This record gives sequence, structure tokens and C-alpha cells, in this order.
Amino acid sequence: AQSVTQLGSHVSVSEGALVLLRCNYSSSVPPYLFWYVQYPNQGLQLLLKYTSAATLVKGINGFEAEFKKSETSFHLTKPSAHMSDAAEYFCAVSDRGTYKYIFGTGTRLKVLA
Amino acid sequence: KAGVTQTPRYLIKTRGQQVTLSCSPISGHRSVSWYQQTPGQGLQFLFEYFSETQRNKGNFPGRFSGRQFSNSRSEMNVSTLELGDSALYLCASSFGATGANNEQFFGPGTRLTVL
Repeated sequence: AQSVTQLGSHVSVSEGALVLLRCNYSSSVPPYLFWYVQYPNQGLQLLLKYTSAATLVKGINGFEAEFKKSETSFHLTKPSAHMSDAAEYFCAVSDRGTYKYIFGTGTRLKVLA
Repeated sequence: KAGVTQTPRYLIKTRGQQVTLSCSPISGHRSVSWYQQTPGQGLQFLFEYFSETQRNKGNFPGRFSGRQFSNSRSEMNVSTLELGDSALYLCASSFGATGANNEQFFGPGTRLTVL
């Protein structure tokens, strides 16, 4: 069965530093891949999605993610963290076999002043 | 375009009671999915409805049920509530069914507390 692993349940970075949030999937057939963000007391909002058109995907708020088939990874990055980026981030896959959306356990990003 | 709306936003119930949560998807969206979010288990998929048919179901007991109406609005019901059912219940809608490259649009959630 498809699974998603997010390494690090909590990540802290200084304002202006690089943000790197890790996501690995398990399927040998690349699923559809997404990153979502959840701000306190809100639902999830799409940051970006992998469409197979390009391995480097650009999303909103300056985030981007690179699909690496050889590493079964879809890590999320942002060159310079802003205080407003503090939130919980979820990697998700849409499994082509079971048609289920599977979320990772989430990474809570803290941005230090 | 209005987003996904969920009612009520907050709910307090006692063990043994039942509860019904409502979700109105974005206009034109035919798929509605429900998730349970808890600090310990993260986001757990409950079920998905597409054009009034349950298309997919997660690993939850039969106390959790749902339905979708012809206008795509959806309800989920939890009977015989247990303390462990306390969670944020999120509804998400998409134009197409899951399994494709469809973005899900989430509502703000209903926070259920079971005492």
C-alpha cells in the first residue's frame, strides 16, 4: 500500500534561512504528489502539486518542491523563511491504484526571529 | 467563488450521543471527502463521495457514516460517540474524483469534543 513519510515532526529555522521539509513516498509508480499548509484553526490549503510536466514545481508564497524519482522524494523548500511561514505542512499522495488521498503525518514549522 | 463551508464549527457532545456534521462543497465540485485530524494520528481518511456514491472508505468503524445529496452537499454521522472521537473533522471538495491529479479544497473543519 502507498505510504507517505515526512521526516521531522517539528522543524525550526531562523527568519531568512532556508526551509527544507522532507517527504518520501513508497510506490514504485510515482503517484500524484501535493504539499498542503495548515495555519492554526484553519483547513488545509494547497501549496503546490506535481503534474509530471516538470520535476521542479513552483508553488505559492515562494515555496517549491523537486520530484526525484530515484529517491522517491518530493521535498519542499523555500530560500528564505518568513515569520508568516510558521504553520503545519503536509505532504500528500493521490494513489493511482486505490484512488485514496494519503497524507503524511505533518511537519510543524517554527520560524525564529 | 465561495469556499467549502462546514457547520457547525464547534460541537460538544457526551459519550453515547450521536452527531451529524455538514459540508457544503465549492459550487460545481462533485467530490467530497472527509478526514479526521487528531494530534496523535494526524489526518485520517474517512470516506469520499462522488456524485452521491461512496467511492472510497477508510479504516473506521461502522459508527462513522456519511452521505451525499444531489446538490453535492454532504453529511457525516457518528453514532454512539466515544471519547476518542474528539477531533477536528475536515471536509474537502474537488471537481473530479480522487485518484487523479485533482486539488482538494478544504473547509475550516468542525471541532468535536466528546465529554
